[in-house]
Amino acid sequence: QSALTQPASVSGSPGQSITISCTGTSSDVGSYNLVSWYQQHPGKAPKLMIYEVSKRPYGVSNRFSGSKSGNTASLTVSGLQAEDEADYYCCSYVSSSTWVFGGGTKLTVL
Amino acid sequence: QVQLVQSGAEVKKPGASVKVSCKASGYTFTTYVMHWVRQAPGQRLEWMGWINTGNGNTKYSQKFQGRVTITRDTSASTAYMELNSLRSEDTAVYYCARVEMSTISYWGQGTLVTVSS
Repeated sequence: QSALTQPASVSGSPGQSITISCTGTSSDVGSYNLVSWYQQHPGKAPKLMIYEVSKRPYGVSNRFSGSKSGNTASLTVSGLQAEDEADYYCCSYVSSSTWVFGGGTKLTVL
Repeated sequence: QVQLVQSGAEVKKPGASVKVSCKASGYTFTTYVMHWVRQAPGQRLEWMGWINTGNGNTKYSQKFQGRVTITRDTSASTAYMELNSLRSEDTAVYYCARVEMSTISYWGQGTLVTVSS
């Protein structure tokens, strides 16, 4: 199972919005609404930010939102803040009860 | 609250095996599936497999099939991940992570495994 495709890096200024894409195939992202997004700060464990494409866990800021179209899922971060600077990973369920992560995207807040 | 506490860092020689533990607390251990995910230095997250902590059923990534074994001890509320035939490319932080809301939700603190001669 190949990794989902994410841009290596994105950047934005405080207050702006950015979108990170996550492209898979019809066997993973395109077939299931089981796409999650994780935020990871250096040296820390990942933190769940979005699950089931667009749902936010309790306590996650509503500045984070998710969507999906076809084989591509997206994470949007609005009103960028310095603390949003981190690595972001998408993850999707695949057939046969397996899972796959994306390659990761480094978000830089300028 | 949910806590997943992993065993400490390990240094292993090529060809050896490593067994990482993950002790769960704050919930009924056998209710939720536990995944294992690893991350090599500066690299992406990589899914390794999961265990149904209730019945012991497992599923592994094809990449690790035959080299990884995930088990659990329900009396100790602990999951284990054993990786055999270690090579330098297996140097990574290994995470256990519990499912909730149909996805991987809670993560352990990670265990660094270093493979070096």
